[in-house]
Amino acid sequence: QVQLVQSGAEVKKPGASVKVSCKASGYTFTSYGISWVRQAPGQGLEWMGWISAYNGNTNYAQKLQGRVTMTTDTSTSTAYMELRSLRSDDTAVYYCARDSIYGGNSFDYWGQGTLVTVSS
Amino acid sequence: DIQMTQSPSSLSASVGDRVTITCQASQDISNYLNWYQQKPGKAPKLLIYDASNLETGVPSRFSGSGSGTDFTFTISSLQPEDIATYYCQQYDNLPRIFTFGPGTKVDIK
Repeated sequence: QVQLVQSGAEVKKPGASVKVSCKASGYTFTSYGISWVRQAPGQGLEWMGWISAYNGNTNYAQKLQGRVTMTTDTSTSTAYMELRSLRSDDTAVYYCARDSIYGGNSFDYWGQGTLVTVSS
Repeated sequence: DIQMTQSPSSLSASVGDRVTITCQASQDISNYLNWYQQKPGKAPKLLIYDASNLETGVPSRFSGSGSGTDFTFTISSLQPEDIATYYCQQYDNLPRIFTFGPGTKVDIK
């Protein structure tokens, strides 16, 4: 069965960086893109960006351009999201989500979420 | 950028009631509209893709309709397990961008 398993919770100081991993299993990793979505406490869902697991092409949300980098390691079927220059408003649960089998216009499998807390 | 609005932001209904949520896009998005359910502390779950297609395994009481700028999500008979927040999400291909609506919280009256 398809699974996306994310790394554990992180606590970071303002200005630091965080790198969250998302290990995929149960499908051919390079056949589907991965998006990252975050959710601040009590808030809605915010799409952060997308990476093709096939060729590494990326597209990032405009507001995060320059601070976020998404990568993949096809040898371990793992996607990574690194966010730099962390601020308190980056405190959120971060999810990875797989492009759906319906042409990639939606997300059919999600990771369990990783809480990143930014606090001095 | 395309903006998404949802209404209402929250609603309270009785078990068995018909529940309708609307989602509006700031410009024509064809049928590139999906609906997700999120329960507290859980990841979102895809319910409806491409405006009106039911994801495999999702109960048939959930449905979606619409195209262009106006979309509707319906629960035909609200069940206690449907308590959740529902999000619409649009998709742009060039460039590849996804935008979520602000969400609608559904409670039992």
